[in-house]
Amino acid sequence: GDSVTQMEGPVTLSEEAFLTINCTYTATGYPSLFWYVQYPGEGLQLLLKATKADDKGSNKGFEATYRKETTSFHLEKGSVQVSDSAVYFCALSDPKTSYDKVIFGPGTSLSVIP
Amino acid sequence: GAGVSQSPRYKVAKRGQDVALRCDPISGHVSLFWYQQALGQGPEFLTYFQNEAQLDKSGLPSDRFFAERPEGSVSTLKIQRTQQEDSAVYLCASNLGVTGNTIYFGEGSWLTVV
Repeated sequence: GDSVTQMEGPVTLSEEAFLTINCTYTATGYPSLFWYVQYPGEGLQLLLKATKADDKGSNKGFEATYRKETTSFHLEKGSVQVSDSAVYFCALSDPKTSYDKVIFGPGTSLSVIP
Repeated sequence: GAGVSQSPRYKVAKRGQDVALRCDPISGHVSLFWYQQALGQGPEFLTYFQNEAQLDKSGLPSDRFFAERPEGSVSTLKIQRTQQEDSAVYLCASNLGVTGNTIYFGEGSWLTVV
């Protein structure tokens, strides 16, 4: 079935470091791809999305490009801040359904230290 | 309300007890989803409603799990005869029902079965 794999954490970075969180997916169709973020004590929030190949999603300095040839959607940020400490989930929207059934990866915990 | 509201936020149940978790979606949202998130893992799909119709319950782990949305607004997830493996955060989400529309998550109901 459709699934999402992402790099294991926890990831610890110093402030202003470059961030990459790898994500690859398996899907039988053409899913939409997402990154969600879960800050401590808060609910899941959509960070960015891309709906077709070569689309780039971006928000709050984060970017991810939908790469169909490598079935990847890696999350990047050029300079992380302490406030970026959270758990990041890569996800896809199941293309076999007519509604937005989202399948999540296991999550990657990020800690940014001053 | 402004966002998806879930109650109770925290619930401790003795093994064998029945529990009911409530979700109040964003007003006007047609689609409603329930997810289960075990500690350190990504959310797993449980069930989906379009208005009052439960169109997908493929993720419900056993017949002890039951969800309803009788008037197409508030939804209740009921777990009968709780087991320790039911301990998780239960997330509710909603959207307008138009494919590609952003899904909004509640903060979750944390269930601990002792």
